[in-house]
Amino acid sequence: GAGVSQSPSNKVTEKGKDVELRCDPISGHTALYWYRQSLGQGLEFLIYFQGNSAPDKSGLPSDRFSAERTGGSVSTLTIQRTQQEDSAVYLCASSLGVLSETQYFGPGTRLLVL
Amino acid sequence: AQSVTQLGSHVSVSEGALVLLRCNYSSSVPPYLFWYVQYPNQGLQLLLKYTSAATLVKGINGFEAEFKKSETSFHLTKPSAHMSDAAEYFCAVSDFGNEKLTFGTGTRLTIIP
Repeated sequence: GAGVSQSPSNKVTEKGKDVELRCDPISGHTALYWYRQSLGQGLEFLIYFQGNSAPDKSGLPSDRFSAERTGGSVSTLTIQRTQQEDSAVYLCASSLGVLSETQYFGPGTRLLVL
Repeated sequence: AQSVTQLGSHVSVSEGALVLLRCNYSSSVPPYLFWYVQYPNQGLQLLLKYTSAATLVKGINGFEAEFKKSETSFHLTKPSAHMSDAAEYFCAVSDFGNEKLTFGTGTRLTIIP
């Protein structure tokens, strides 16, 4: 079956612009996660959804970052007023939702802020 | 808070030799432990996971890992390296009841022909 998909695969933007990153989880997966992978910080957790609610937003680095999930499916991560330090690969994962069930990762969106 | 330490950011082994990638964890409760592999320009793929059943866990592509509570370790091994094993490997931990994964800094494995 189809895996987790993310779009766009690459995004180049100018400092100060807003960007939206999209994640389509595996069908039937109720849990969805966003992570960021950067050279300086490694792989870090950003936010987690169970259904449409986000029980854990503890990893969002600033109030410029927000995420939403609608219909228990697609999620959008929005970064407002992008900064150069936001340049990273943003990874999305989904799982069935059972505690500590396996997370399946998408290919990521590579964001470059000029 | 849990944390993961991966010793060796780069490991090189000869084709056919033993692969050993080290992972030590710190967790206040019995953890769940994972090894993921990342090939260039791809997402993360699960190799294996420990969830408090058998301490020796077998995964895909001939990899296995042993959970040692006394050493707080979860090292990844493969008896005989193959060229296709060249990738970056991440150890991760989560606490039961805490959905997020905490990752180590990764180990890049190079296979020497």
